[in-house]
Amino acid sequence: DGGITQSPKYLFRKEGQNVTLSCEQNLNHDAMYWYRQDPGQGLRLIYYSQIVNDFQKGDIAEGYSVSREKKESFPLTVTSAQKNPTAFYLCASSIWGQGYNEQFFGPGTRLTVL
Amino acid sequence: AQTVTQSQPEMSVQEAETVTLSCTYDTSESDYYLFWYKQPPSRQMILVIRQEAYKQQNATENRFSVNFQKAAKSFSLKISDSQLGDAAMYFCAYYGSNDYKLSFGAGTTVTVRA
Repeated sequence: DGGITQSPKYLFRKEGQNVTLSCEQNLNHDAMYWYRQDPGQGLRLIYYSQIVNDFQKGDIAEGYSVSREKKESFPLTVTSAQKNPTAFYLCASSIWGQGYNEQFFGPGTRLTVL
Repeated sequence: AQTVTQSQPEMSVQEAETVTLSCTYDTSESDYYLFWYKQPPSRQMILVIRQEAYKQQNATENRFSVNFQKAAKSFSLKISDSQLGDAAMYFCAYYGSNDYKLSFGAGTTVTVRA
């Protein structure tokens, strides 16, 4: 089955700790994305990557970091610099090219910082 | 980022009835795409319908249809013959050809009454 997996589904961390969220896809997509979802605010783009070893900041990149060492994987690290890390995080992927290419979403990870 | 506004935080509809969700957006681009996504309680994002700005004909997918008013920058979603499984949060989203990213509205929660 082709798709996007995110793990874990729920994650709890103490304040001040860095935490890494996993995102893996086997759709052979070039592009991958990380979104944050808060109540009443919809989804906001954190980072995206069009190709391996390259990525760009989205609208709310402060306090986050990413890497793209493999086409299939795009992990997101929530650092201690992120002031309000508790949120629902969604990963997505798509082919990359001119015009719109449908983004397919993973099931998400709920991060709670205590 | 483009601004996408959903002015209805919540909507309720009787089973088998019709409900219309509103969305407006702000853009200076002429080439773009608009979407409605559904997020059920599982929180999986599901693409419901999409509209290319260059197409005058409104998109339709089974019981889901849109009213795209380009000059007014309005993009409403009509759900006909509402079913219990339609209960979810619905997000309007914009994708500009120069952006390479989706911009989401805050969402509308739809409740279906049996």
